[in-house]
Amino acid sequence: GENVEQHPSTLSVQEGDSAVIKCTYSDSASNYFPWYKQELGKRPQLIIDIRSNVGEKKDQRIAVTLNKTAKHFSLHITETQPEDSAVYFCAAIRPGNTPLVFGKGTRLSVIA
Amino acid sequence: GAVVSQHPSWVICKSGTSVKIECRSLDFQATTMFWYRQFPKQSLMLMATSNEGSKATYEQGVEKDKFLINHASLTLSTLTVTSAHPEDSSFYICSARPPDGMNQPQHFGDGTRLSIL
Repeated sequence: GENVEQHPSTLSVQEGDSAVIKCTYSDSASNYFPWYKQELGKRPQLIIDIRSNVGEKKDQRIAVTLNKTAKHFSLHITETQPEDSAVYFCAAIRPGNTPLVFGKGTRLSVIA
Repeated sequence: GAVVSQHPSWVICKSGTSVKIECRSLDFQATTMFWYRQFPKQSLMLMATSNEGSKATYEQGVEKDKFLINHASLTLSTLTVTSAHPEDSSFYICSARPPDGMNQPQHFGDGTRLSIL
C-alpha cells in the first residue's frame, strides 16, 4: 500500500521567513496530494492540494510543488505569520473512493 | 459546500462503557466513509473503511469486534467503541467524499475526543 514520509517533524521559523515541508510517497498510482493544517483539538483543514497532472500550484502565500518522477511533493509557506503555527499534514490518495494516507505531520512554530 | 457532521464532539466515560459516534454527510450521499484515529502528537491513522450496505473493511491491527461500524444509510455511518478502556482514549474522526469525488477532496467531521477513565 501507499506510504507517505514527511519531513521535518518540527520546524521553527521567524515571522516573515519562509517554511518548507517535504513529503515523499511510494505508490506511483497516487494522483491527488492534499495538504492539511490542524490546530490543537480541531479537525484537519484542507489548505491546498495538487493533482498529478500539475507540477505547481499557488494560493497567496502557500504553494505546493509535485515531482512525479521522484515521487516528491512540498509545501511552501512564504511570509510566515504567527497564525500559521499549527501541525501540517501531507497526504496522498489513489484514484477511486480510497482513503487518504497521511504523513506523520510537521509541527510549525512561527516566532514573532 | 459538502459538509460532514460528527457527533458527539467530546465524550468522557468510565472504563467498560460502549460509546457510539455518528458521522453524517449533510448534503451528499456517501457510499463510503472513512474512520481515522489520532493519538496525541501523532498523525491520523486509518482504522476502517465503512461501506454502505456491506461490511466495513478494517486495517491491520484494528479489532473489528471492538470497533463496530454500521453504515446503514447513504448519509450515516456509526462507530461503536465497545467496552472502552483507557487505551482507547483518542481523537476519532470520520471523512467522506462526495460521489463525484474524483474532483472533490474528502471532507472531515469535527472529530470526537474520547476519554476513558
